[in-house]
Amino acid sequence: NAGVTQTPKFQVLKTGQSMTLQCAQDMNHNSMYWYRQDPGMGLRLIYYSASEGTTDKGEVPNGYNVSRLNKREFSLRLESAAPSQTSVYFCASSEVGEGGYTFGSGTRLTVV
Amino acid sequence: AQSVTQPDIHITVSEGASLELRCNYSYGATPYLFWYVQSPGQGLQLLLKYFSGDTLVQGIKGFEAEFKRSQSSFNLRKPSVHWSDAAEYFCAVGLYNFNKFYFGSGTKLNVKP
Repeated sequence: NAGVTQTPKFQVLKTGQSMTLQCAQDMNHNSMYWYRQDPGMGLRLIYYSASEGTTDKGEVPNGYNVSRLNKREFSLRLESAAPSQTSVYFCASSEVGEGGYTFGSGTRLTVV
Repeated sequence: AQSVTQPDIHITVSEGASLELRCNYSYGATPYLFWYVQSPGQGLQLLLKYFSGDTLVQGIKGFEAEFKRSQSSFNLRKPSVHWSDAAEYFCAVGLYNFNKFYFGSGTKLNVKP
């Protein structure tokens, strides 16, 4: 089925470790996004990529980096994980004119 | 600055009762408005969207929402709630050509049998 695929679904990291969250979409959307979801705070935008070859910071970019590998793939990297980065991470894609996002099923990350 | 406010953190309604979830926004231009639903452990699913035209929009699962420009609101409604509607609901606003959206903090809906 068409959609947004995120891997892994669950991850536990130790403080200071690094990891990359992967996201791929097969809807031919130009724009892709990474959000984090924390209780009572809704979704906050970390980074987004309006089109292949471009990336921009969102509301909470500190501690993260992204790579738009090609039109399909948009990865999120934590270089040195901190407990404050314990969260659920969602990738989404969209296309201007279609309205709204298509979300992946999320990655639940715990940093201990 | 753009903002989206969902004033109700939790709402409990009885099955079969009507539902209204509130959303207010602050935006510098004519916004595009969305409601999403998130079931436990799942991603977000688009319920409905408003771009222009008729201010009452119909969505999936029997939901509707009404855009009121004068009140900067986009409230979600359902005439008769089902137990399967228990979930968290998010309002979002954005600009069409900017293609970036801001989310409210969410309203958790509990449905009593």
